[in-house]
Amino acid sequence: DSGVTQTPKHLITATGQRVTLRCSPRSGDLSVYWYQQSLDQGLQFLIQYYNGEERAKGNILERFSAQQFPDLHSELNLSSLELGDSALYFCASSPWAATETQYFGPGTRLLVL
Amino acid sequence: AQKVTQAQTEISVVEKEDVTLDCVYETRDTTYYLFWYKQPPSGELVFLIRRNSFDEQNEISGRYSWNFQKSTSSFNFTITASQVVDSAVYFCALSEAGYTGTASKLTFGTGTRLQVTL
Repeated sequence: DSGVTQTPKHLITATGQRVTLRCSPRSGDLSVYWYQQSLDQGLQFLIQYYNGEERAKGNILERFSAQQFPDLHSELNLSSLELGDSALYFCASSPWAATETQYFGPGTRLLVL
Repeated sequence: AQKVTQAQTEISVVEKEDVTLDCVYETRDTTYYLFWYKQPPSGELVFLIRRNSFDEQNEISGRYSWNFQKSTSSFNFTITASQVVDSAVYFCALSEAGYTGTASKLTFGTGTRLQVTL
């Protein structure tokens, strides 16, 4: 158990819908990262937050957004969902921004029908 | 841009065999970090090791060992006396240090699926 929690574990929804994925980092970690794992793209970095502020953006679609709240939990919002958004979404956390080890949550498996 | 290559897509071994998973990386930074993660069939990503670019000492942890060679930009992972529980997808990843306080996203390889059978 990494100490990072993600909810829900599984999510099935329809095209065009909007979903919110939630992540709670390990106790004391200030940095939260979101990654997407799909069959065709592999594991890709989406976005990072550090202590409530956006720190870096990767290959994140405009339909996707995230935020980190004062209690340090983070939410990833996916809207106007398409079939291709079906993937495993991971959250990871680390103590602060610079190159600490990232510990991953169990992931949220999203299926868009 | 940073890149990680895991050329072996899938490896099958019989239990108790030794197996080496290859990882080759590309980066322009002189300071960087290399990682290995394990993804068992249950799907979570489990951290195995982190190495910084200034430490080329090989590391051994039980049946696991890692060989870091800057000269060939490789960070290979060997499992000695493999067991069925080692069956998983193994990912090599790279993070560039950047400036203090800057982001440290992980760039992953495509993974190597290891199947250990009896």
